[in-house]
Amino acid sequence: KAGVTQTPRYLIKTRGQQVTLSCSPISGHRSVSWYQQTPGQGLQFLFEYFSETQRNKGNFPGRFSGRQFSNSRSEMNVSTLELGDSALYLCASSLTGTGVYEQYFGPGTRLTVT
Amino acid sequence: SQQGEEDPQALSIQEGENATMNCSYKTSINNLQWYRQNSGRGLVHLILIRSNEREKHSGRLRVTLDTSKKSSSLLITASRAADTASYFCAISSGGSYIPTFGRGTSLIVHP
Repeated sequence: KAGVTQTPRYLIKTRGQQVTLSCSPISGHRSVSWYQQTPGQGLQFLFEYFSETQRNKGNFPGRFSGRQFSNSRSEMNVSTLELGDSALYLCASSLTGTGVYEQYFGPGTRLTVT
Repeated sequence: SQQGEEDPQALSIQEGENATMNCSYKTSINNLQWYRQNSGRGLVHLILIRSNEREKHSGRLRVTLDTSKKSSSLLITASRAADTASYFCAISSGGSYIPTFGRGTSLIVHP
Protein backbone atom coordinates (compact mmCIF):
# COMPACT_ATOMS: atom_id res chain seq x y z
CA LYS A 1 0.00 0.00 0.00
CA ALA A 2 1.39 3.41 -0.90
CA GLY A 3 2.14 5.74 1.99
CA VAL A 4 1.07 9.31 2.51
CA THR A 5 2.42 11.57 -0.18
CA GLN A 6 2.90 15.31 -0.01
CA THR A 7 3.66 17.75 -2.79
CA PRO A 8 5.70 19.74 -3.29
CA ARG A 9 8.54 18.60 -1.04
CA TYR A 10 10.26 21.97 -0.99
CA LEU A 11 8.95 25.43 -1.61
CA ILE A 12 10.38 28.93 -1.42
CA LYS A 13 7.94 31.82 -1.32
CA THR A 14 8.11 35.53 -0.70
CA ARG A 15 6.44 37.29 2.19
CA GLY A 16 2.91 38.31 1.25
CA GLN A 17 2.38 35.53 -1.27
CA GLN A 18 0.08 32.57 -0.77
CA VAL A 19 0.84 28.88 -0.99
CA THR A 20 -1.09 25.64 -1.43
CA LEU A 21 0.23 22.32 -0.21
CA SER A 22 -1.21 18.97 -1.18
CA CYS A 23 -1.56 15.67 0.67
CA SER A 24 -2.73 12.29 -0.57
CA PRO A 25 -3.59 9.92 2.28
CA ILE A 26 -3.18 6.19 2.39
CA SER A 27 -5.88 4.50 0.37
CA GLY A 28 -8.95 3.95 2.52
CA HIS A 29 -7.99 6.53 5.13
CA ARG A 30 -10.64 9.20 5.49
CA SER A 31 -9.09 11.38 8.17
CA VAL A 32 -6.32 13.81 7.27
CA SER A 33 -4.56 16.07 9.74
CA TRP A 34 -2.07 18.84 9.16
CA TYR A 35 0.76 19.90 11.46
CA GLN A 36 3.31 22.67 11.45
CA GLN A 37 6.76 21.85 12.81
CA THR A 38 9.27 24.52 13.74
CA PRO A 39 12.36 24.38 15.95
CA GLY A 40 10.84 26.92 18.30
CA GLN A 41 7.28 25.61 18.69
CA GLY A 42 7.68 21.94 17.87
CA LEU A 43 4.81 20.07 16.28
CA GLN A 44 1.59 22.03 16.32
CA PHE A 45 -1.76 20.79 15.13
CA LEU A 46 -3.39 22.86 12.40
CA PHE A 47 -6.62 21.06 11.53
CA GLU A 48 -8.21 17.73 10.77
CA TYR A 49 -10.56 16.81 7.97
CA PHE A 50 -12.85 13.82 7.82
CA SER A 51 -15.22 13.10 4.95
CA GLU A 52 -14.65 16.55 3.45
CA THR A 53 -15.51 18.33 6.71
CA GLN A 54 -13.16 20.14 9.03
CA ARG A 55 -13.71 18.37 12.28
CA ASN A 56 -10.98 19.78 14.51
CA LYS A 57 -8.99 22.96 14.39
CA GLY A 58 -5.85 24.08 16.17
CA ASN A 59 -4.97 27.54 17.32
CA PHE A 60 -3.80 29.15 14.10
CA PRO A 61 -4.93 32.38 12.43
CA GLY A 62 -7.47 32.38 9.63
CA ARG A 63 -4.67 32.74 7.07
CA PHE A 64 -4.32 28.98 7.42
CA SER A 65 -7.10 27.06 5.76
CA GLY A 66 -7.66 23.67 4.27
CA ARG A 67 -10.06 21.45 2.47
CA GLN A 68 -10.61 17.83 1.68
CA PHE A 69 -11.91 16.33 -1.51
CA SER A 70 -14.24 13.39 -2.02
CA ASN A 71 -11.25 11.09 -2.66
CA SER A 72 -9.85 12.14 0.77
CA ARG A 73 -6.99 14.11 -0.75
CA SER A 74 -6.43 17.30 1.17
CA GLU A 75 -4.94 20.70 0.54
CA MET A 76 -3.90 23.40 2.92
CA ASN A 77 -3.53 27.01 1.99
CA VAL A 78 -1.62 29.78 3.68
CA SER A 79 -2.39 33.29 2.53
CA THR A 80 -0.35 36.43 3.06
CA LEU A 81 2.76 34.52 4.04
CA GLU A 82 4.89 35.76 6.92
CA LEU A 83 8.51 34.94 7.69
CA GLY A 84 7.33 32.97 10.71
CA ASP A 85 5.40 30.60 8.47
CA SER A 86 8.69 29.01 7.43
CA ALA A 87 8.35 25.45 8.68
CA LEU A 88 8.00 21.81 7.85
CA TYR A 89 4.34 21.09 7.14
CA LEU A 90 3.33 17.55 7.83
CA CYS A 91 0.24 15.76 6.75
CA ALA A 92 -0.98 12.61 8.44
CA SER A 93 -3.77 10.21 7.61
CA SER A 94 -5.69 7.87 9.82
CA LEU A 95 -8.01 4.97 9.13
CA THR A 96 -10.32 5.53 12.04
CA GLY A 97 -12.28 8.66 12.50
CA THR A 98 -12.14 8.76 16.28
CA GLY A 99 -11.01 6.74 19.23
CA VAL A 100 -7.53 5.35 18.90
CA TYR A 101 -6.06 7.77 16.44
CA GLU A 102 -2.95 6.19 14.98
CA GLN A 103 -1.51 8.45 12.32
CA TYR A 104 0.65 7.81 9.30
CA PHE A 105 2.73 10.78 8.31
CA GLY A 106 3.92 11.97 4.94
CA PRO A 107 7.49 13.20 4.37
CA GLY A 108 6.45 16.82 4.74
CA THR A 109 6.71 19.99 2.71
CA ARG A 110 9.55 22.29 3.68
CA LEU A 111 8.32 25.86 3.20
CA THR A 112 10.77 28.73 3.31
CA VAL A 113 9.41 32.28 3.31
CA THR A 114 11.86 35.00 2.37
CA SER B 1 -5.43 18.38 25.12
CA GLN B 2 -2.23 18.30 27.12
CA GLN B 3 1.31 18.08 25.88
CA GLY B 4 3.76 15.49 27.10
CA GLU B 5 7.23 16.51 28.15
CA GLU B 6 10.08 14.31 27.01
CA ASP B 7 13.23 13.83 28.99
CA PRO B 8 16.11 14.04 28.26
CA GLN B 9 16.06 16.57 25.45
CA ALA B 10 19.13 14.94 23.96
CA LEU B 11 20.81 11.57 24.41
CA SER B 12 24.11 10.37 22.98
CA ILE B 13 25.12 6.71 23.27
CA GLN B 14 27.30 4.08 21.64
CA GLU B 15 25.98 1.37 19.36
CA GLY B 16 24.90 -1.66 21.34
CA GLU B 17 23.87 0.31 24.42
CA ASN B 18 20.29 0.73 25.54
CA ALA B 19 18.52 4.06 25.21
CA THR B 20 15.76 5.15 27.56
CA MET B 21 13.64 8.25 27.13
CA ASN B 22 10.72 9.39 29.21
CA CYS B 23 7.51 11.29 28.73
CA SER B 24 5.66 12.92 31.59
CA TYR B 25 2.21 14.44 31.55
CA LYS B 26 -0.11 16.24 33.93
CA THR B 27 -3.62 14.80 33.79
CA SER B 28 -5.19 11.46 32.91
CA ILE B 29 -4.83 10.23 29.36
CA ASN B 30 -6.75 8.05 26.91
CA ASN B 31 -3.66 6.72 25.22
CA LEU B 32 -0.04 7.60 24.54
CA GLN B 33 1.88 7.02 21.36
CA TRP B 34 5.57 7.12 20.50
CA TYR B 35 6.80 8.31 17.12
CA ARG B 36 10.23 8.54 15.51
CA GLN B 37 11.38 11.25 13.11
CA ASN B 38 14.53 11.01 11.07
CA SER B 39 16.25 14.30 10.30
CA GLY B 40 13.35 16.60 9.44
CA ARG B 41 11.27 14.04 7.63
CA GLY B 42 7.85 12.58 8.42
CA LEU B 43 7.09 10.84 11.67
CA VAL B 44 6.89 7.07 11.92
CA HIS B 45 4.48 5.49 14.38
CA LEU B 46 6.24 3.14 16.81
CA ILE B 47 3.90 2.03 19.58
CA LEU B 48 0.54 2.98 21.04
CA ILE B 49 -0.22 2.18 24.66
CA ARG B 50 -3.68 2.61 26.13
CA SER B 51 -4.32 4.01 29.59
CA ASN B 52 -5.26 0.56 30.93
CA GLU B 53 -2.07 -1.06 29.64
CA ARG B 54 1.25 -1.11 31.49
CA GLU B 55 3.76 -2.44 28.99
CA LYS B 56 4.04 -3.11 25.27
CA HIS B 57 6.81 -4.51 23.12
CA SER B 58 7.67 -4.23 19.47
CA GLY B 59 10.95 -5.75 18.36
CA ARG B 60 13.74 -3.93 20.22
CA LEU B 61 11.28 -1.37 21.60
CA ARG B 62 9.65 -1.56 25.00
CA VAL B 63 7.17 1.01 26.22
CA THR B 64 5.90 1.24 29.77
CA LEU B 65 3.14 3.38 31.18
CA ASP B 66 2.82 4.31 34.84
CA THR B 67 -0.45 6.18 35.27
CA SER B 68 0.18 6.75 38.98
CA LYS B 69 3.36 8.65 38.13
CA LYS B 70 1.84 10.06 34.95
CA SER B 71 4.79 8.98 32.87
CA SER B 72 5.80 6.67 30.08
CA SER B 73 9.18 5.42 29.01
CA LEU B 74 10.51 4.15 25.71
CA LEU B 75 13.41 1.72 25.87
CA ILE B 76 15.41 0.86 22.76
CA THR B 77 17.61 -2.14 23.41
CA ALA B 78 20.89 -2.87 21.62
CA SER B 79 20.74 0.43 19.76
CA ARG B 80 22.06 0.85 16.24
CA ALA B 81 23.33 3.87 14.34
CA ALA B 82 20.10 3.72 12.32
CA ASP B 83 18.15 4.48 15.51
CA THR B 84 19.57 8.00 15.41
CA ALA B 85 16.44 10.18 15.26
CA SER B 86 14.11 12.33 17.31
CA TYR B 87 11.53 10.50 19.39
CA PHE B 88 8.20 12.06 20.29
CA CYS B 89 5.46 11.09 22.65
CA ALA B 90 1.93 12.03 21.62
CA ILE B 91 -0.90 12.13 24.12
CA SER B 92 -4.64 11.87 23.62
CA SER B 93 -6.60 13.01 26.63
CA GLY B 94 -10.01 14.21 27.65
CA GLY B 95 -12.61 14.21 24.93
CA SER B 96 -10.10 14.76 22.14
CA TYR B 97 -8.69 11.91 20.08
CA ILE B 98 -6.23 14.24 18.35
CA PRO B 99 -2.83 13.58 19.95
CA THR B 100 -0.67 16.44 21.16
CA PHE B 101 3.04 16.02 20.56
CA GLY B 102 5.85 16.81 22.97
CA ARG B 103 9.07 18.55 22.00
CA GLY B 104 10.93 15.29 21.52
CA THR B 105 14.16 13.60 22.56
CA SER B 106 17.03 13.75 20.11
CA LEU B 107 18.91 10.43 20.13
CA ILE B 108 22.35 10.03 18.57
CA VAL B 109 23.80 6.54 18.37
CA HIS B 110 27.51 6.51 17.58
CA PRO B 111 28.80 3.57 15.52
